[in-house]
Amino acid sequence: DTGVSQDPRHKITKRGQNVTFRCDPISEHNRLYWYRQTLGQGPEFLTYFQNEAQLEKSRLLSDRFSAERPKGSFSTLEIQRTEQGDSAMYLCASSVSPGRKGVTGNEQFFGPGTRLTVL
Amino acid sequence: LAKTTQPISMDSYEGQEVNITCSHNNIATNDYITWYQQFPSQGPRFIIQGYKTKVTNEVASLFIPADRKSSTLSLPRVSLSDTAVYYCLVGEDYGQNFVFGPGTRLSVLP
Repeated sequence: DTGVSQDPRHKITKRGQNVTFRCDPISEHNRLYWYRQTLGQGPEFLTYFQNEAQLEKSRLLSDRFSAERPKGSFSTLEIQRTEQGDSAMYLCASSVSPGRKGVTGNEQFFGPGTRLTVL
Repeated sequence: LAKTTQPISMDSYEGQEVNITCSHNNIATNDYITWYQQFPSQGPRFIIQGYKTKVTNEVASLFIPADRKSSTLSLPRVSLSDTAVYYCLVGEDYGQNFVFGPGTRLSVLP
């Protein structure tokens, strides 16, 4: 396992369509995070899971966004009724929660991202 | 939520030491200080994390004064490949309080 993978790497869609992205974390990483990043800005937190439980969602996250991690391994992020303002890079990261396997910090390992363009 | 302030951009030359300072005046007692690096079209990469004094790893050093209201990331002998955006984050190292600001865009020139 060489790292976090995301699929697709690029997605172009028309406004109003639904899109779904997939993230495969590093094996045995129990935490998984989704971020969104626009040009010139740092990543913006969307949500995170510990195992299959979604523990936190951004207060600013629209209800058009939903994420799942059904078996505590891969995760999907769905955006319904896409808008042009959803155009961004969507990043996934994973980590081992502190205390597990002797880990003290919470170093997050990021994937390459999925670039979404909404026309 | 501790707010951080860091320079928008910095220039350096190959072989020099680069110091990027981050201000976080309202850091809380339990907050960690974490730095990430991001290259274009890639996700961020963890560089270093500290709580107080000095932390060093194979990539960088992190200096934190006693009052913890600022921190300095030190990159020894930078190369062209160190050109990237560097983010300073303060707080819990996950969740919605783990906030990436716009970062510092470091350009290393030959």
